[in-house]
Amino acid sequence: AQSVTQLDSHVSVSEGTPVLLRCNYSSSYSPSLFWYVQHPNKGLQLLLKYTSAATLVKGINGFEAEFKKSETSFHLTKPSAHMSDAAEYFCVVSVRNNDMRFGAGTRLTVKP
Amino acid sequence: NAGVTQTPKFRILKIGQSMTLQCTQDMNHNYMYWYRQDPGMGLKLIYYSVGAGITDKGEVPNGYNVSRSTTEDFPLRLELAAPSQTSVYFCASSRQGAGAKNIQYFGAGTRLSVL
Repeated sequence: AQSVTQLDSHVSVSEGTPVLLRCNYSSSYSPSLFWYVQHPNKGLQLLLKYTSAATLVKGINGFEAEFKKSETSFHLTKPSAHMSDAAEYFCVVSVRNNDMRFGAGTRLTVKP
Repeated sequence: NAGVTQTPKFRILKIGQSMTLQCTQDMNHNYMYWYRQDPGMGLKLIYYSVGAGITDKGEVPNGYNVSRSTTEDFPLRLELAAPSQTSVYFCASSRQGAGAKNIQYFGAGTRLSVL
């Protein structure tokens, strides 16, 4: 079985400081991993995905994530938070088509 | 290009009432999905469809029905609403089966309360 655990339900940072959103996964097979973002009253939008190529994946809006097999982690980072980054973030694991397992989400708050 | 559109955005139902959540996409995607998200939980797959006339159950299908008469539309039906169906419902679509090579596009969600 496959699953993801997002280790923080809520993260609060100040504008201009780094962002770290943590995700651990469990999978019997080589997984594909994704990060989605959801802004208030909007649909989920893909930030980035890992599909067994480079372990450091760059996404939109300055976000990136590193796949660490030894730690079964796929943490999302950004060097400097913007106010517009405030949103809900979801980590997702998939080992086959149509079987996407979502984490519970992390709400990011950015303080001025 | 509207993407995936869900209606209504909010709805309150009484126990035992029925309703249909609408979902339409204008990207000519073959695959469509319905998820629910309960507070503090990840999205769980209710039903999905791989094309017009073909639907299949996901992880939590009980209490729901779907149909796919056209490529564009994938309505979700609740026949006898129960408080356990209070949730946020998301519709999504992808060109082929969602996974590494085919990302999903999501609607903005429908917030449903059953009282």
